[in-house]
Amino acid sequence: GENVEQHPSTLSVQEGDSAVIKCTYSDSASNYFPWYKQELGKRPQLIIDIRSNVGEKKDQRIAVTLNKTAKHFSLHITETQPEDSAVYFCAASKKGGSTLGRLYFGRGTQLTVWP
Amino acid sequence: ETGVTQTPRHLVMGMTNKKSLKCEQHLGHNAMYWYKQSAKKPLELMFVYNFKEQTENNSVPSRFSPECPNSSHLFLHLHTLQPEDSALYLCASSQALDTERGYTFGSGTRLTVV
Repeated sequence: GENVEQHPSTLSVQEGDSAVIKCTYSDSASNYFPWYKQELGKRPQLIIDIRSNVGEKKDQRIAVTLNKTAKHFSLHITETQPEDSAVYFCAASKKGGSTLGRLYFGRGTQLTVWP
Repeated sequence: ETGVTQTPRHLVMGMTNKKSLKCEQHLGHNAMYWYKQSAKKPLELMFVYNFKEQTENNSVPSRFSPECPNSSHLFLHLHTLQPEDSALYLCASSQALDTERGYTFGSGTRLTVV
């Protein structure tokens, strides 16, 4: 099955700085890569995703990049704010074949943004 | 609410009790999942149901018993739990054949075993 590795496990940045979280995956057939944000005491929520036919996607202050050759993808948050503090999970899945579309999650990154 | 509703939100139970967690979705999804999330730990997949059939059991102890009577409802029956089972239990749903729409998570049940 798929194996998703996520680094770092914790990340502290000053407000206004950028934050980068990196993930690698093992199954070259994976073709969908979402990112989830989980604030303290709340449910994980999808914040951005990227498909394998795209190398980069941006939505305001967050962006995701994908390198299919190297099998890694990253989340970039610019101009960080205290409300960006949360646990971020990356995930990977593939569509089609014998595997019904199950997401494989990374272990999460606790991002803390200091004011 | 997200379209995935979990009840109860909080549950305290003794080790000899029997209780059930409920998850309900009205998104037209046909895949449902149970995850366990302990403090400062990653999401641990417990069970996967596709079209009401269990397709994955991630080596979960038998004191956790899932039930999926239809594509909209998922239960987790709890019996003779241990204190280390205290955690946030998250339910999620998706389109089984199209996860390019991602998962929708419920708000979870915070379980405390005493």
